[in-house]
Amino acid sequence: DVKVTQSSRYLVKRTGEKVFLECVQDMDHENMFWYRQDPGLGLRLIYFSYDVKMKEKGDIPEGYSVSREKKERFSLILESASTNQTSMYLCASSRGTGPGANVLTFGAGSRLTVL
Amino acid sequence: GQQLNQSPQSMFIQEGEDVSMNCTSSSIFNTWLWYKQDPGEGPVLLIALYKAGELTSNGRLTAQFGITRKDSFLNISASIPSDVGIYFCARAGGTSYGKLTFGQGTILTVHP
Repeated sequence: DVKVTQSSRYLVKRTGEKVFLECVQDMDHENMFWYRQDPGLGLRLIYFSYDVKMKEKGDIPEGYSVSREKKERFSLILESASTNQTSMYLCASSRGTGPGANVLTFGAGSRLTVL
Repeated sequence: GQQLNQSPQSMFIQEGEDVSMNCTSSSIFNTWLWYKQDPGEGPVLLIALYKAGELTSNGRLTAQFGITRKDSFLNISASIPSDVGIYFCARAGGTSYGKLTFGQGTILTVHP
């Protein structure tokens, strides 16, 4: 069964801490994405990557950075966590550059609380 | 990014009832997708639509790509308790494959 695995389901951090959210996929997908999910706002794209060491800003990149050193791993970094970054974070992956690239496989999510 | 307007925001229905939700946009797009998120899980793709006017079914689910390419709807017939969850529409357009814009979600509750 193909999977996108997010290492932490629940995290509680303090304001100003550096936070790493890890995501690994075992489908050899080229594309990886980080979304955040907030009630009433749906899913909003933070960053995405089409290849190793490549990254592009999504719609809400402020306060975040990403790292993709290996094809299967895409990390989301909060350099200095703030309370408005309390949210559910969803990682996703997809294959290639054709219409199939729009078929995203999501992880189960990481719920981050910043105190 | 451009937003999608998804409605209704929530629905409370009895088991066996039919459900309809829709999504609209001010711009035209090439692809509409519908995802479902079960409680505690990530969204899972239900149906993908690639052509204006396309009507696609997946079991009790039916989705259509609006003829104007600015809207889509999802129908669920004869709802059952496991239909509970959050339903999201999403659109893709241009050459940014995989870079989806999602609607706000419809929270569906089904009473037995």
